[in-house]
Amino acid sequence: EAGVVQSPRYKIIEKKQPVAFWCNPISGHNTLYWYLQNLGQGPELLIRYENEEAVDDSQLPKDRFSAERLKGVDSTLKIQPAELGDSAVYLCASSLGVAGELFFGEGSRLTVL
Amino acid sequence: QKEVEQDPGPLSVPEGAIVSLNCTYSNSAFQYFMWYRQYSRKGPELLMYTYSSGNKEDGRFTAQVDKSSKYISLFIRDSQPSDSATYLCAMSHSGSARQLTFGSGTQLTVLP
Repeated sequence: EAGVVQSPRYKIIEKKQPVAFWCNPISGHNTLYWYLQNLGQGPELLIRYENEEAVDDSQLPKDRFSAERLKGVDSTLKIQPAELGDSAVYLCASSLGVAGELFFGEGSRLTVL
Repeated sequence: QKEVEQDPGPLSVPEGAIVSLNCTYSNSAFQYFMWYRQYSRKGPELLMYTYSSGNKEDGRFTAQVDKSSKYISLFIRDSQPSDSATYLCAMSHSGSARQLTFGSGTQLTVLP
């Protein structure tokens, strides 16, 4: 069975440019998470979806970040415009319900120049 | 002060050594404690999961929780080069993945 799939794995952009990350969760997992992981730090939750609904987006910087999960499967995280401080790894994870084990993708590594 | 503190290392040990990794925390409401392993340029994967105080063993890995001291440990026996990774502790008061608080991770290298 395929795990959580993320793309692109690596992205280099100049500041003020837009960028988007895509995530395909494990089949059947209704709960999807986007985490931010800075170098040398643990993951920090940005947003959590239960099916199509964003149920916890309190840590998402809404002035420049947006996310969507159409049809309750794939999800996209967008940053516009990107800033130097956004350079980090963006991890997608999914679980079968909020009590289920969390499975992470390999992450999308963003470098903003 | 962070809710969860973890020594970042790096920690380097010879193959076969016993490794001890630790986290301290300040939130007494934490009831569920996890250890994740993260290989370089990969996502974290769940290694151990424990509830409340006590020990849990799985093969070469033992997780210990001391809630009175707000201190958790992961022991790796007979460490192998394949154990080289960053180990993240994570905690929750609800047992739900929606409220996980991660430590910053300890980078471990096991030398052959």
